[in-house]
Amino acid sequence: DQQVKQNSPSLSVQEGRISILNCDYTNSMFDYFLWYKKYPAEGPTFLISISSIKDKNEDGRFTVFLNKSAKHLSLHIVPSQPGDSAVYFCAASALGGNKLTFGTGTQLKVEL
Amino acid sequence: GAVVSQHPSWVICKSGTSVKIECRSLDFQATTMFWYRQFPKQSLMLMATSNEGSKATYEQGVEKDKFLINHASLTLSTLTVTSAHPEDSSFYICSALTDRGMRYEQYFGPGTRLTVT
Repeated sequence: DQQVKQNSPSLSVQEGRISILNCDYTNSMFDYFLWYKKYPAEGPTFLISISSIKDKNEDGRFTVFLNKSAKHLSLHIVPSQPGDSAVYFCAASALGGNKLTFGTGTQLKVEL
Repeated sequence: GAVVSQHPSWVICKSGTSVKIECRSLDFQATTMFWYRQFPKQSLMLMATSNEGSKATYEQGVEKDKFLINHASLTLSTLTVTSAHPEDSSFYICSALTDRGMRYEQYFGPGTRLTVT
């Protein structure tokens, strides 16, 4: 039972354009959401997070949007840079807990 | 700050042997660490929660006698894969929990690639 899903296994974007990565979840108990970036053979690196009391959080080129009614969140990267090429995982945790449930990941490729 | 290391970064072992993987929080103390495994092109799956000074909590379907976890200090947790088999070959990643004020955050180690021949 995959509680956090990233339906696009891959995404290709041109440098300078916007990258939009999507994530859907099914567990209504999730109240905190995170995005991680991961290179092969390395651990995930935290990018940005959002609490369920917000619908948007911005940090530099990264913005996360949360639509609780649709149980959907998205990560916007603008402008996209070649160094952004990596696998992006969304993750979620439930009320008061610290355990993370990860999505399946989206491979982003930013082309010159 | 919040650096987590793992050792070794990769290891090859023969079927039937045991392998120990270390996870250290270098610049902070972590009463809680987590162990994940990742198969190629798949998600990170939580295996167990490691608590300093107490027994680990394993996720459903994870054999606690096969994956021994010891969290003997506030900066070190170890995962021992006992009687390893080829199907245990995977990428193992640990994380350490730290208080970031508003919320606890997990910081991840670089991972350990285990290959069982």
